[in-house]
Amino acid sequence: KNQVEQSPQSLIILEGKNCTLQCNYTVSPFSNLRWYKQDTGRGPVSLTIMTFSENTKSNGRYTATLDADTKQSSLHITASQLSDSASYICVVSGINYKLSFGAGTTVTVRA
Amino acid sequence: GAVVSQHPSRVICKSGTSVKIECRSLDFQATTMFWYRQFPKKSLMLMATSNEGSKATYEQGVEKDKFLINHASLTLSTLTVTSAHPEDSSFYICSAITLAGASYNEQFFGPGTRLTVL
Repeated sequence: KNQVEQSPQSLIILEGKNCTLQCNYTVSPFSNLRWYKQDTGRGPVSLTIMTFSENTKSNGRYTATLDADTKQSSLHITASQLSDSASYICVVSGINYKLSFGAGTTVTVRA
Repeated sequence: GAVVSQHPSRVICKSGTSVKIECRSLDFQATTMFWYRQFPKKSLMLMATSNEGSKATYEQGVEKDKFLINHASLTLSTLTVTSAHPEDSSFYICSAITLAGASYNEQFFGPGTRLTVL
């Protein structure tokens, strides 16, 4: 069974600090890995997408890494802002557009 | 960028009634749309895959007669929750795949519809 596991489940950080979220997956065959940001009561918004040949990708203050050998990914948030408070979901794409979703990490940024 | 809209954003209905949720791709054509359900603090669960002009493919455990899906055009898919019950209360999210330009088969998600069945 294809699985995507994220850690931690939730975290609280102070505004301006950095944090790193983790994602481990067992999806095979692997097409790409995406990180989404989901605000409460809203749909997910794509942050980064990486194929197996890409090790890192940035989108502003968000930097994702991918190790296809160990099947691990991370999302690093730099200089966090209050607006970064959201759920961050790791999603792995296999074949036929099927997506495997992680449970998400809830990030709370406090002033 | 590709924009997907949903209507309504929130709906409250009485038990036993049917509710229709629309999913539209606003600036692109989508051959395939997906319907997800999300419970509080849980991840998205795929309910069905909707292809334009053909019957939807439902995931295991999803009742076809309960959740009717119609994909009549390349920009519109609808989900109808028939004879809704309180346990159908949830956050429903659609997504769409653009025909061209996306090398990653990226899915663009709608903003979601909050359904509350009284």
